[in-house]
Amino acid sequence: DVKVTQSSRYLVKRTGEKVFLECVQDMDHENMFWYRQDPGLGLRLIYFSYDVKMKEKGDIPEGYSVSREKKERFSLILESASTNQTSMYLCASSLPGQAYYQPQHFGDGTRLSIL
Amino acid sequence: QKEVEQNSGPLSVPEGAIASLNCTYSDRGSQSFFWYRQYSGKSPELIMFIYSNGDKEDGRFTAQLNKASQYVSLLIRDSQPSDSATYLCAVRRDNYGQNFVFGPGTRLSVLP
Repeated sequence: DVKVTQSSRYLVKRTGEKVFLECVQDMDHENMFWYRQDPGLGLRLIYFSYDVKMKEKGDIPEGYSVSREKKERFSLILESASTNQTSMYLCASSLPGQAYYQPQHFGDGTRLSIL
Repeated sequence: QKEVEQNSGPLSVPEGAIASLNCTYSDRGSQSFFWYRQYSGKSPELIMFIYSNGDKEDGRFTAQLNKASQYVSLLIRDSQPSDSATYLCAVRRDNYGQNFVFGPGTRLSVLP
């Protein structure tokens, strides 16, 4: 089974702090994704990466950055945390290519509160 | 127009009934479609995918795809209380990568 592990289940930080959310997958997947999930808005893509050192902006990248130094690890960085970044953050990974049936596999999520 | 739309619900059905969940999408070029189930406080888990027009059955679940009308649906037969969850429709955005767009989800409640 694919295992996507997020470093923290719950996290509380203060406004202005730099926040790191870590995600590790154990299935040698090329693709990794960061989403945030808010009530009524669903899952929204923040950043994704199709390879090491590579990153692409998703739909809501403002206020975030990412790092992919190793294939198995994809980090989301909140440069200066703000209260509107309080949310559930979900990491996902998938195999590459044009295969129509490749799903995304999700981690358990990090519930982040910014005070 | 949102890329992927779902009725947010809640959709309430009695135990043993058929639950019908619908999803529409705006990009006519979309090729593949996924249904995820998400229990409260948990991460989404894949139930089914479909990429050909018509029906695809897996146990009590049937996914239906109609590309001409740009909708995909999920039927759950013999609904159980354990099916109570939010169901997310996901559409693969491009044909070369794995960039998905998710709908807001439909909350299903199966009443004993």
